[in-house]
Amino acid sequence: GQQLNQSPQSMFIQEGEDVSMNCTSSSIFNTWLWYKQDPGEGPVLLIALYKAGELTSNGRLTAQFGITRKDSFLNISASIPSDVGIYFCAGPVVSGTYKYIFGTGTRLKVLA
Amino acid sequence: AAGVIQSPRHLIKEKRETATLKCYPIPRHDTVYWYQQGPGQDPQFLISFYEKMQSDKGSIPDRFSAQQFSDYHSELNMSSLELGDSALYFCASSLGQRNQPQHFGDGTRLSIL
Repeated sequence: GQQLNQSPQSMFIQEGEDVSMNCTSSSIFNTWLWYKQDPGEGPVLLIALYKAGELTSNGRLTAQFGITRKDSFLNISASIPSDVGIYFCAGPVVSGTYKYIFGTGTRLKVLA
Repeated sequence: AAGVIQSPRHLIKEKRETATLKCYPIPRHDTVYWYQQGPGQDPQFLISFYEKMQSDKGSIPDRFSAQQFSDYHSELNMSSLELGDSALYFCASSLGQRNQPQHFGDGTRLSIL
């Protein structure tokens, strides 16, 4: 079945460092969403991307919609301890449907 | 701003019992989605509703059913519960237009003894 693969699976970084993670698909997506999930809570929407090549920022977060439409990237600048959590990419399985698939997640741990 | 409200937050049931989870979407959102998330897993799409009609179906077991009511809240009904149904169940909502981002509630943690 369709999969969204995220890398890295997990990462430990020092506070203040920049972070990059990506999400790849075997098929074309027309929408990419990035979420952050803290333990025991629901995913929180960070950034939504709708056009190939689009680059969107939300504070220290920047996400890009890959040109091939099969990938997306999320960057976090100057990480802080509260950035700890699991980051998921997500997108509609078929464009225009309500059925979303989530990526495998990147677990981020920030060392103070 | 108002968010997606789910109830209960925690639920403990025994095998073969039934459970009902409720979801109240963000005001004016007419689409709701249900997801199941096992420990260490990503959320798995179960089912969605738009304007009170089922719009898409994912990996929802036949023992589960759901509906969306006239006030747009939704309920997930689960019967003949099994140990493997223990998970976090999330509801999300969005505006009806397709590809609009989904906003999640804080989930219901269901534990089956």
